[in-house]
Amino acid sequence: QQPVQSPQAVILREGEDAVINCSSSKALYSVHWYRQKHGEAPVFLMILLKGGEQKGHEKISASFNEKKQQSSLYLTASQLSYSGTYFCASTGRGGATNKLIFGTGTLLAVQP
Amino acid sequence: NAGVMQNPRHLVRRRGQEARLRCSPMKGHSHVYWYRQLPEEGLKFMVYLQKENIIDESGMPKERFSAEFPKEGPSILRIQQVVRGDSAAYFCASSPSPGGYSGELFFGEGSRLTVL
Repeated sequence: QQPVQSPQAVILREGEDAVINCSSSKALYSVHWYRQKHGEAPVFLMILLKGGEQKGHEKISASFNEKKQQSSLYLTASQLSYSGTYFCASTGRGGATNKLIFGTGTLLAVQP
Repeated sequence: NAGVMQNPRHLVRRRGQEARLRCSPMKGHSHVYWYRQLPEEGLKFMVYLQKENIIDESGMPKERFSAEFPKEGPSILRIQQVVRGDSAAYFCASSPSPGGYSGELFFGEGSRLTVL
């Protein structure tokens, strides 16, 4: 089942903050975050495995809630280079395969 | 260490022709995933392969599409009798271990298929 992201799109000015949410109706085994710039390959940002986990650094960080059904990506003091489409991705617990199912995506545009 | 290599980067086919997309994973990676991305949309899982084995092809259309990852050589995604709806970017990703559980997938730059 595909995770749902919100918002679908956000426009920021340099230096502003943003939060991108990723939700699933079922508990997730893990959540991954990727960023894709237009016409380029997705690039891995981070993975969270444990409920209640927070990870990242000062500028870009993420959390995974205790029930493991929601994750949020936090972008602080945004820079022009942050522009792109952000995807969360997940794999459900169990199952024979480890395929990642990508979320609906959030387009982030940072303006000067 | 070279990244994931995909070729061709751009491919134009007429309806009814065949398209072959190749993916060479990073050195030491034995897990390969193919994703399709339509313009302005997300990445849709197609197939997950390990060397010589298809592990999960639940995202592959039942007809015209096939994938392989032979013991030697690149992984190949083959689309027979292409139709306009096949026009998309096809991304390959690789990982040294099952990517969903343990870590990141490394993506190639994608192959952009245009069907006329």
